[in-house]
Amino acid sequence: DTAVSQTPKYLVTQMGNDKSIKCEQNLGHDTMYWYKQDSKKFLKIMFSYNNKELIINETVPNRFSPKSPDKAHLNLHINSLELGDSAVYFCASSRMGSKNTGELFFGEGSRLTVL
Amino acid sequence: QQPVQSPQAVILREGEDAVINCSSSKALYSVHWYRQKHGEAPVFLMILLKGGEQKGHDKISASFNEKKQQSSLYLTASQLSYSGTYFCGTMEYGNKLVFGAGTILRVKS
Repeated sequence: DTAVSQTPKYLVTQMGNDKSIKCEQNLGHDTMYWYKQDSKKFLKIMFSYNNKELIINETVPNRFSPKSPDKAHLNLHINSLELGDSAVYFCASSRMGSKNTGELFFGEGSRLTVL
Repeated sequence: QQPVQSPQAVILREGEDAVINCSSSKALYSVHWYRQKHGEAPVFLMILLKGGEQKGHDKISASFNEKKQQSSLYLTASQLSYSGTYFCGTMEYGNKLVFGAGTILRVKS
């Protein structure tokens, strides 16, 4: 059983298109994240949700909109894709509160290529 | 503000030791270490907490100097499987884990 799963794993699309990436975790965690990893491997946090509530919203273009229908799912929708959006997007989850060990569990990543 | 890692890259032969450093300009309450192998997701190695002891996992250990706002990751008798990019992370308000730029480690046979 995959703990944190993302779909799709690969996305190739044209500039200007809209695309979505889905993430699901079966670990019972209450916090989920989106990280972007660029070509230089820099891992930058974009958003986090705790129990469906937006907690972290970094300086990200508003073309990026996260949605958490429930605490096991966090999706990322990107409008009007640009070349600079090409990256690997990682979903992650963790547990907050007294049982928080600080460990993030990452999905396998979704590689987005904008042509 | 992201922590600073050094070196940027290191190449070792099997059996050699390496140290990766991580420092921050902010007060640190915890330091997290992850390893990412090529084409894979980052994987948690360990967390060091303020006031906590040095941690270890097999031949990989780490220390945390709160006063100097630094942490170091020690890889002893490196194996081929240690190759990858090592990230340190510092936790900010709101459970936000901010990663350093990473250190590429390559172990040769």
